[in-house]
Amino acid sequence: GQQVMQIPQYQHVQEGEDFTTYCNSSTTLSNIQWYKQRPGGHPVFLIQLVKSGEVKKQKRLTFQFGEAKKNSSLHITATQTTDVGTYFCAGRKGGNKLVFGAGTILRVKS
Amino acid sequence: DAGITQSPRHKVTETGTPVTLRCHQTENHRYMYWYRQDPGHGLRLIHYSYGVKDTDKGEVSDGYSVSRSKTEDFLLTLESATSSQTSVYFCAISESVPQETQYFGPGTRLLVL
Repeated sequence: GQQVMQIPQYQHVQEGEDFTTYCNSSTTLSNIQWYKQRPGGHPVFLIQLVKSGEVKKQKRLTFQFGEAKKNSSLHITATQTTDVGTYFCAGRKGGNKLVFGAGTILRVKS
Repeated sequence: DAGITQSPRHKVTETGTPVTLRCHQTENHRYMYWYRQDPGHGLRLIHYSYGVKDTDKGEVSDGYSVSRSKTEDFLLTLESATSSQTSVYFCAISESVPQETQYFGPGTRLLVL
């Protein structure tokens, strides 16, 4: 079954509002990656976090990896219509396999 | 975008027929993966390959087989398609170690009637 839980499943925001998606694992992850998939497109890599408590920023996007390396979040400040899509986290426990969360669908109303 | 193509891009087939999906890469990456994407489930790993003729199962491998006879090609076969295998199938590649970024192909939309 799903080993990486992601919430919320869906969020609809007004343009300019902030957005956050959360990812939780019951076990410690060696690293976590975030991907974005535009409607009708394929997943595209955004970032990887490896260290406990790590925080990385990409313009309006802020990514965090929890101290226990069991959870992560993606925060978008002042959403734009170009942010629409599905955001996936993907955790690795070691070995060759990434386990993806179910994704959070973001819709932005202009 | 990484050089990954998938064929066919769309396919409609009938229950019980065999189906083969092809993933082709021009990046000479070692690792190749097949995922299926279904609403509410995200991306689930079917099989992956860590080299020519080296493959392993993912979390949803039942009903699927794979082959990799060349670095650049990874084939996914549904021996006898079922309606539950209606899905969008994505191929992905990663360069040399599994911790690295995965690059995804454009996807194949499969409908099993």
